[in-house]
Amino acid sequence: ETGVTQTPRHLVMGMTNKKSLKCEQHLGHNAMYWYKQSAKKPLELMFVYSLEERVENNSVPSRFSPECPNSSHLFLHLHTLQPEDSALYLCASSQDRGAYEQYFGPGTRLTVT
Amino acid sequence: AQKITQTQPGMFVQEKEAVTLDCTYDTSDPSYGLFWYKQPSSGEMIFLIYQGSYDQQNATEGRYSLNFQKARKSANLVISASQLGDSAMYFCAMREGRNTGFQKLVFGTGTRLLVSP
Repeated sequence: ETGVTQTPRHLVMGMTNKKSLKCEQHLGHNAMYWYKQSAKKPLELMFVYSLEERVENNSVPSRFSPECPNSSHLFLHLHTLQPEDSALYLCASSQDRGAYEQYFGPGTRLTVT
Repeated sequence: AQKITQTQPGMFVQEKEAVTLDCTYDTSDPSYGLFWYKQPSSGEMIFLIYQGSYDQQNATEGRYSLNFQKARKSANLVISASQLGDSAMYFCAMREGRNTGFQKLVFGTGTRLLVSP
């Protein structure tokens, strides 16, 4: 595996379900990010982890819970979601210093029914 | 106020022609960075090009160039010799402040580019 991978690629869940999104980066980066991409809205930064420490939380509802057990893995735990949470969830990584670009995964298309 | 504005929801171009995608930004920070990403229908965001606010020359990467006009606060992407594979969504993004740590990017709403044969 190379780059940034995300699983699952597609997820349909009910409002009472609990599920998790997984992201793994194989680039040796130190920072990882969760973004939400809704139709006709700009990409929204949700969480940032740098060296496994959460450094940014953009007022995201508590029904989204991130976890970063090490610098290569990032999870987004989901529970009691709402239909408006349906979106493409993108994970990205970057070096914490010296690099400029973020490398993105293919995303998880989430549908909440 | 929006920090990144992309006024073209959609653009059409014929293969082998050049196309310019517009981006204007708003910041009072003297140090910032501007990025362009491409998002094909498969979903992943692909980094294309970067321009730092203190860079004297416009950035270029292969067929991509960034027309950086600091006084106008614009950072338009120019794609030369368009190819069918260039059909995708294109996003402009900005990082405010110096690059001293993680990248907090603000994205525009994107422009959908369609390249026709």
